[in-house]
Amino acid sequence: QIVLTQSPSASASLGASVKLTCTLSSGHSRYAIAWHQQQPEKGPRYLMKVNPDGSHSKGDGIPDRFSGSSSGAERYLTISSLQSEDEAVYYCQTWGTGIHVFGTGTKVSVL
Amino acid sequence: EVQVVESGGGLVQPGGSLRLSCAASGFTSSTYWMSWVRQAPGKGLEWVANIKGDGSEINYVDSVKGRFTISRDNAKNSLFLQMNSLTAEDTAVYYCARDLGPSSYCCDAFDIWGQGTMVTVSS
Repeated sequence: QIVLTQSPSASASLGASVKLTCTLSSGHSRYAIAWHQQQPEKGPRYLMKVNPDGSHSKGDGIPDRFSGSSSGAERYLTISSLQSEDEAVYYCQTWGTGIHVFGTGTKVSVL
Repeated sequence: EVQVVESGGGLVQPGGSLRLSCAASGFTSSTYWMSWVRQAPGKGLEWVANIKGDGSEINYVDSVKGRFTISRDNAKNSLFLQMNSLTAEDTAVYYCARDLGPSSYCCDAFDIWGQGTMVTVSS
């Protein structure tokens, strides 16, 4: 079965950058994933889809400081010029035949 | 504006039933796979069920098979989740989500999310 692994937390200073990692389980390294942001007390918000070749397509209105990339079974989300509103939990999502799978989420703190 | 809005949540006793609704607007929902995703208090996201645009294919997570039924009414641009035999473990915010891009094939990223509706199972 597909498993997505994420670190529980990450932090960086206001204006700095942070890079989050989502790792696909063995045998699933060619899967695309999506990144979603969930701010406190809000529903998830789609950020982007990241393909195995590193290309990515962002949702409407997502700022340029959010970018995606790939390397092997790892998919990344980089947030540049961190803002206070970026403090949130970030989930990765992938999908197979008829199913969807989420990672456990990474809580980003802005120092 | 493209959006989905959930409703129907509430407090229900263990063993009871509840029907959630999701109203879609700003797009023709009949061409999209749609899903229900839930989030227990303080926990992460869990996909629950999905349904093809024409309703001909349906999938469920194992923990709800035989208890939950997903359906849709494309004439009303609506998605539903009938939940029976509810237990405390079903307590969660339930979100409606749309697959990215109209397609006959499942599945893809979720690009539209609702604000969620809370379901509490407690005596």
